[in-house]
Amino acid sequence: GAVVSQHPSWVICKSGTSVKIECRSLDFQATTMFWYRQFPKQSLMLMATSNEGSKATYEQGVEKDKFLINHASLTLSTLTVTSAHPEDSSFYICSASLLGEQFFGPGTRLTVL
Amino acid sequence: EDQVTQSPEALRLQEGESSSLNCSYTVSGLRGLFWYRQDPGKGPEFLFTLYSAGEEKEKERLKATLTKKESFLHITAPKPEDSATYLCARRGGSQGNLIFGKGTKLSVKP
Repeated sequence: GAVVSQHPSWVICKSGTSVKIECRSLDFQATTMFWYRQFPKQSLMLMATSNEGSKATYEQGVEKDKFLINHASLTLSTLTVTSAHPEDSSFYICSASLLGEQFFGPGTRLTVL
Repeated sequence: EDQVTQSPEALRLQEGESSSLNCSYTVSGLRGLFWYRQDPGKGPEFLFTLYSAGEEKEKERLKATLTKKESFLHITAPKPEDSATYLCARRGGSQGNLIFGKGTKLSVKP
């Protein structure tokens, strides 16, 4: 149990385009999901907290208009990187909470050319 | 600023050579100390959660312990398949996000 999936696992896009990443809790419902970003040889840094049915809460320094988060159901949260630039290239990982534990998806590698 | 500090940054062991990884934290009122394993290009895999000083948890060759200021991840007789980056984290904001250390990259040579 407690499986979290992400789609796609990797994506390459041109600068200026938008990319949507999906995060799903497969066998449980998650009212709260988290989006993290990990640059090479760095640890995970929280970008935003996604709550089902309400607006996401963004960490300081994360542009909410650039990283759009939608948590439309108890099993799905999406992160859309709008007008992506090369500096947005990173490993994006979501997580979902279940009974106090936090389970992570496999990550999405975004490369912006 | 509350910190989670892991040491060493990297650790190379021979197969069967036991050792420990350290995670220290500087927050009062700890609401959970988490250990994860992360393989290259993958998301973190949950290992343990510890809540109170003196608590210990074990899983195969791994044992996690917690004191009031730090946590240790003990690896007994490691195998090459234990090679990974081990991440330590504490619960952060009001909604339970995690604050991670930078990790310890463990390499176990046969």
